[in-house]
Amino acid sequence: DVKVTQSSRYLVKRTGEKVFLECVQDMDHENMFWYRQDPGLGLRLIYFSYDVKMKEKGDIPEGYSVSREKKERFSLILESASTNQTSMYLCASSYSGTMFHEQFFGPGTRLTVL
Amino acid sequence: GENVEQHPSTLSVQEGDSAVIKCTYSDSASNYFPWYKQELGKRPQLIIDIRSNVGEKKDQRIAVTLNKTAKHFSLHITETQPEDSAVYFCAAIGGGFTGTASKLTFGTGTRLQVTL
Repeated sequence: DVKVTQSSRYLVKRTGEKVFLECVQDMDHENMFWYRQDPGLGLRLIYFSYDVKMKEKGDIPEGYSVSREKKERFSLILESASTNQTSMYLCASSYSGTMFHEQFFGPGTRLTVL
Repeated sequence: GENVEQHPSTLSVQEGDSAVIKCTYSDSASNYFPWYKQELGKRPQLIIDIRSNVGEKKDQRIAVTLNKTAKHFSLHITETQPEDSAVYFCAAIGGGFTGTASKLTFGTGTRLQVTL
């Protein structure tokens, strides 16, 4: 059974703080993704990674960076948190290959920036 | 890049009735269309998907149809039950293909409420 875990379910930070959100998957998936989920806007892709140390910008990368030093771990970094980054953050992972594979999601981290 | 529109944003049906959620996409090259269900407080989970070489796919009470010419696809839930209450997201492959990672573009979601 695929398991995707995220470091925190709830997080409260102050404006200007550096914030780390961590995601770990245990199924040896090549691909990992970070989304943010806001009411009425669906899931929007921030960054994704298709291999260790490889990353690609998604649709809304501004204000975020990522790190993938190990295959199972994908970190999202908010260099200087701002109130408009208050949101639910979801991590996902999937196999790679020529067929499109299901993305498995983590439980989410609800981040509040004060 | 790909743009996916989803309607309606909310849908209320009585138990036993059918529910239909519709999505349109913009990139004619898109060829994979998954649907995810997210129950309250839980993570999104894939419930059904369809590839562009198929016009319809069914799995028990849920079915998905695809019209490539019109660039729209729909989720159909028959004999709805209270446990079908959730937010449903459609998605389409789009925005390019880097390495072997396929980017999904999601719709904005439909909150389905099944009332007794």
